Amino acid sequence: DADVTQTPRNRITKTGKRIMLECSQTKGHDRMYWYRQDPGLGLRLIYYSFDVKDINKGEISDGYSVSRQAQAKFSLSLESAIPNQTALYFCATSDPHGAYGYTFGSGTRLTVV
Amino acid sequence: QKEVEQNSGPLSVPEGAIASLNCTYSDRGSQSFFWYRQYSGKSPELIMSIYSNGDKEDGRFTAQLNKASQYVSLLIRDSQPSDSATYLCAVLNNYGQNFVFGPGTRLSVLP
Repeated sequence: DADVTQTPRNRITKTGKRIMLECSQTKGHDRMYWYRQDPGLGLRLIYYSFDVKDINKGEISDGYSVSRQAQAKFSLSLESAIPNQTALYFCATSDPHGAYGYTFGSGTRLTVV
Repeated sequence: QKEVEQNSGPLSVPEGAIASLNCTYSDRGSQSFFWYRQYSGKSPELIMSIYSNGDKEDGRFTAQLNKASQYVSLLIRDSQPSDSATYLCAVLNNYGQNFVFGPGTRLSVLP
């Protein structure tokens, strides 16, 4: 099994719909992250969490919310999807000090039509 | 000003040549630096990390760090077509909270 699992892998949804992207990890790390990737813009941080009770906004959190259900699970929600949220979304986890970088999930390709 | 900058490329090199990828960062307090390789549509995979000034070698890859110049580079020796990918520079921010990524440099190794 992968260290970081994201579901779904691909999703097409309509404008205005609510959608949840799920992430689970088996690394035993407390730190989890959500990024989106757009061509030419690289990876941009949406939300991050250092433990179940510690959730923080990243640089582009507007239009998104998250839930940390357990140490291993971190979900990203789009309450009312809009077309410019079409992107590739990655979940990641890291050790406590980031010393070994991120372990990424396989990504979710989201298309909002 | 972006926090982490890279030339977007594409950078094209012939097979067997040395590919040189560059990255600059703005946070002078940053301590940890990483290079990721990302194939199209796939997740980034870590290939190198560097924490101290100087060079760090791992197989065909060499990372170079100059904190005074706020500059990180990645050299790929004996480039292979399978090295064709986007290379992302990542910098752990000064507070150690999260990594900031550059936009990536697309490398194309021509057979």
